[in-house]
Amino acid sequence: QSVLTQPPSVSGAPGQRVTISCTGSSSNIGAGFDVHWYQQLPGAAPKLLIYGDNNRPSGVPDRFSGSKSGTSASLAISGLQAEDDADYYCQSYDSSLSGSHVFGTGTKVTVL
Amino acid sequence: QVQLVQSGVEVKKPGASVKVSCKASGYTFITYGISWVRQAPGQGLEWMGWVSAYDGNIEYAQNFQGRVTMTTDTSTSTAYMELRRLRSDDTAVYYCARDGPGTYYGMDVWGQGTTVTVSS
Repeated sequence: QSVLTQPPSVSGAPGQRVTISCTGSSSNIGAGFDVHWYQQLPGAAPKLLIYGDNNRPSGVPDRFSGSKSGTSASLAISGLQAEDDADYYCQSYDSSLSGSHVFGTGTKVTVL
Repeated sequence: QVQLVQSGVEVKKPGASVKVSCKASGYTFITYGISWVRQAPGQGLEWMGWVSAYDGNIEYAQNFQGRVTMTTDTSTSTAYMELRRLRSDDTAVYYCARDGPGTYYGMDVWGQGTTVTVSS
């Protein structure tokens, strides 16, 4: 049972902008811990998409952006493309658990 | 290039143990940690634990404490994850990922995954 909640699915037409929320609490995101986002294409390993709340690794298009406020974080995908059809997970850290890393529940993005 | 290469498919019976390896290349092994993450069929990502390749410091997720052991071998730049007393709900793809230093950079390099099937 994850402590970070994401919507199960979001969808959009090519070219549109979609956002994915990641809702936590005062012991994780609200405590100021870094938030990261991962993209998982079907049958593949996850790939780091955003690190440190709002930073893109080399090679990740600037269509992807991250933000954080209070106990929540968000991933925005602008100019949606067919290859963005994938699962997306947020990840942070929690001070109340034995073992620190926590993943979000995951969101399936469907490009219509 | 930086990569993590994991060992192959495993099929185990309930109650057995499995040990998955993760060989790193293309970077200085001891400057990072390794996290292990699993994904059951059709399910989300579940963090299992983290081991420092520098000093062997370890954090295990509560769900796995007492049943998992994570180690590193700096002479071969390889990390290992052993899970004991396997159950059918341990059937999953197990990933290793480069993690750290610290919490700012996330898990930036992932292995290809190792499928573990637990069945009688």
